[in-house]
Amino acid sequence: SQQGEEDPQALSIQEGENATMNCSYKTSINNLQWYRQNSGRGLVHLILIRSNEREKHSGRLRVTLDTSKKSSSLLITASRAADTASYFCAPATGNQFYFGTGTSLTVIP
Amino acid sequence: EAGVAQSPRYKIIEKRQSVAFWCNPISGHATLYWYQQILGQGPKLLIQFQNNGVVDDSQLPKDRFSAERLKGVDSTLKIQPAKLEDSAVYLCASSLLVGGPYEQYFGPGTRLTVT
Repeated sequence: SQQGEEDPQALSIQEGENATMNCSYKTSINNLQWYRQNSGRGLVHLILIRSNEREKHSGRLRVTLDTSKKSSSLLITASRAADTASYFCAPATGNQFYFGTGTSLTVIP
Repeated sequence: EAGVAQSPRYKIIEKRQSVAFWCNPISGHATLYWYQQILGQGPKLLIQFQNNGVVDDSQLPKDRFSAERLKGVDSTLKIQPAKLEDSAVYLCASSLLVGGPYEQYFGPGTRLTVT
């Protein structure tokens, strides 16, 4: 299926450390997006990387995409307590997205 | 720009009752999605509309769930009759259509508890 699979399922780090989350998928995609969900809230779009891109940056976020391995990674540098949330990847074909089960990130102050 | 609006925010019903959720997408967004998110899981797409036509409803339990998007703007999702396993957060999202790819904008969700 197109559903993304995030790894690890849970991650706990100290404030200031970097956090890396991985996503794997099984079919061809046009783009891959990462979203954040704070507890009890809707999802917020973080970053979109197209299938012909290998790396993209946005502030403290760095996303890589390897279409040959059908995988992506999200790196959050210099983490803050406010980064505590669940992170989901969404491999996409056109306007159709399939979310995985997410990585739960806890940043300890 | 106003975000995606959903109502109600919370709903508690007994099993076998019916319930309806409403979503108002961002103005100009032709694509509208309904997701079901069970606690601890990722959002599961129930139905996707482009304007007022259905693009994908392959995971919508059609024996009890229905959705419509009249005039290509607002949408309602209905469950009748509800089961205990329908307890979840129902998320609505919208995105632009032409010239994509585009990110989805999510509403705050409706938390449904079926007792």
